[in-house]
Amino acid sequence: GDSVTQMEGPVTLSEEAFLTINCTYTATGYPSLFWYVQYPGEGLQLLLKATKADDKGSNKGFEATYRKETTSFHLEKGSVQVSDSAVYFCALSDQSNTGKLIFGQGTTLQVKP
Amino acid sequence: DTAVSQTPKYLVTQMGNDKSIKCEQNLGHDTMYWYKQDSKKFLKIMFSYNNKELIINETVPNRFSPKSPDKAHLNLHINSLELGDSAVYFCASSKPGLAYEQYFGPGTRLTVT
Repeated sequence: GDSVTQMEGPVTLSEEAFLTINCTYTATGYPSLFWYVQYPGEGLQLLLKATKADDKGSNKGFEATYRKETTSFHLEKGSVQVSDSAVYFCALSDQSNTGKLIFGQGTTLQVKP
Repeated sequence: DTAVSQTPKYLVTQMGNDKSIKCEQNLGHDTMYWYKQDSKKFLKIMFSYNNKELIINETVPNRFSPKSPDKAHLNLHINSLELGDSAVYFCASSKPGLAYEQYFGPGTRLTVT
C-alpha cells in the first residue's frame, strides 16, 4: 500500500541555520503531496502542497519540490527561527478522492537561539 | 473565532468506561474526520463523514462509533475503553473539492488508567 517515510528526528538546529527534512513516498498513480506542521499543544496545519511532478510548494519561507523520479518531497528552509520549532509531517493523498491522507511518522524540529 | 473545536481537551478515565469526544467546525465545510495520534506522534485516520454520510471507516474496533448529527458536528463515542486507546484524538474538516487540505482541531488527550 501507499506509504510515506520521513527522516528520523529530533532535528536540532541553531537559529538561522539551513533546514532540510527528507521525505520519500511509495504510491500507485500520482498522489498529491503535503507538508503539515504541528506546533506544541496544537492541531496540524497545512504548510504547503504540490499536486503534480515538478511542482514546488512554498509558504512562510519553507519550500518543497515534488520529485517523481526520486519519489521525494523534501522540506527546506534557508534560515530557521526559534518559532519554527514544531513537528513536521509529510503526507500524501490516496487515489480514492475521499480525503484520506497517509502521513509519515513526523520529524521534530528544535531550533535553539 | 475557533474554526475546529473539540471538547474536552483532556479526558482521564478508567478501563471499561464509555466516553464521548465532541467536535464542531464553523467553517462551513462538508467533510469531517477523526484521527488518532499515538505516543510516537504517528497519525492515522479513523473515520470520515461527508454531509453526515460515512465515507471512510478504517480498521477501527467496533467499540468506536462516530456520530454526525449535522455537517458541522462529528462526535466520537468509545465503549469499554482499553489502555491502548490512550492517545490524542484529532478532529479535522475540509471544504468541497479540497478534501486533502484539512483543518485540524486542537486535539483531545485521552488517558485510560
